[in-house]
Amino acid sequence: DIVMTQSPDSLAVSLGERATINCKSSQSVLNSSNNKNYVAWYQQKRGQPPKLLIYWASTRESGVPDRFSGSGSGTDFTLTISSLQAEDVAVYYCQQYYDTPQTFGQGTKVEIK
Amino acid sequence: QITLKESGPTLVKPTQTLTLTCTFSGFSLSTDGVGVGWIRQPTGKALEWLAVIYWNDDKRCSPSLKSRLTITKDTSKNQVVLTMTNMDPVDTATYYCAHRRLPDSSGYYVDAFDIWGQGTMVTVSS
Repeated sequence: DIVMTQSPDSLAVSLGERATINCKSSQSVLNSSNNKNYVAWYQQKRGQPPKLLIYWASTRESGVPDRFSGSGSGTDFTLTISSLQAEDVAVYYCQQYYDTPQTFGQGTKVEIK
Repeated sequence: QITLKESGPTLVKPTQTLTLTCTFSGFSLSTDGVGVGWIRQPTGKALEWLAVIYWNDDKRCSPSLKSRLTITKDTSKNQVVLTMTNMDPVDTATYYCAHRRLPDSSGYYVDAFDIWGQGTMVTVSS
């Protein structure tokens, strides 16, 4: 199985400041035939199902605010919230869909400082 | 508008078989590219992918659970059914079904899940 390791496990950021979450895969999830990284990012608020934010590592899902961005390639990926808003308090998960089983990171909890 | 809803027992005994049904609307599982997956989450813990079934009846299951899992679809009823045998207390979790995102402008299949049900909590206890 491909292991997805997120860091940090939690972070507290002031409103309006940048939040950065890292995700490292145990093997490359870059498909050389189409040059796409098979990574998605989800946001899960308390008591709710996850919400898809980003796929192909950097493609923002329709309706997702542009303060959310994804980057990275190969084995190292980042989700950035450029200006943290109160409604962004949540747990964030990365996922690889390069191989079966699809696997998720352990989650990163984002709070307001 | 796509919606999915999970249904099934809230409590099962150890060694019993769990049967969960995902009833969906707003799409057809006979349409090219469509897939429905199951993901579970123990309270306070991370997401765990279980299985996915596609429009062409292709199926993928978690290898660690493969001997216990079965996923099927009933296209006429707009349902996907997940069965898990030999339930154990460690299987206590919220179980979600979710819609696989359709290809974007790139044309490539995206095995991420864009629409999720609200989840159903299953407790395994005697």
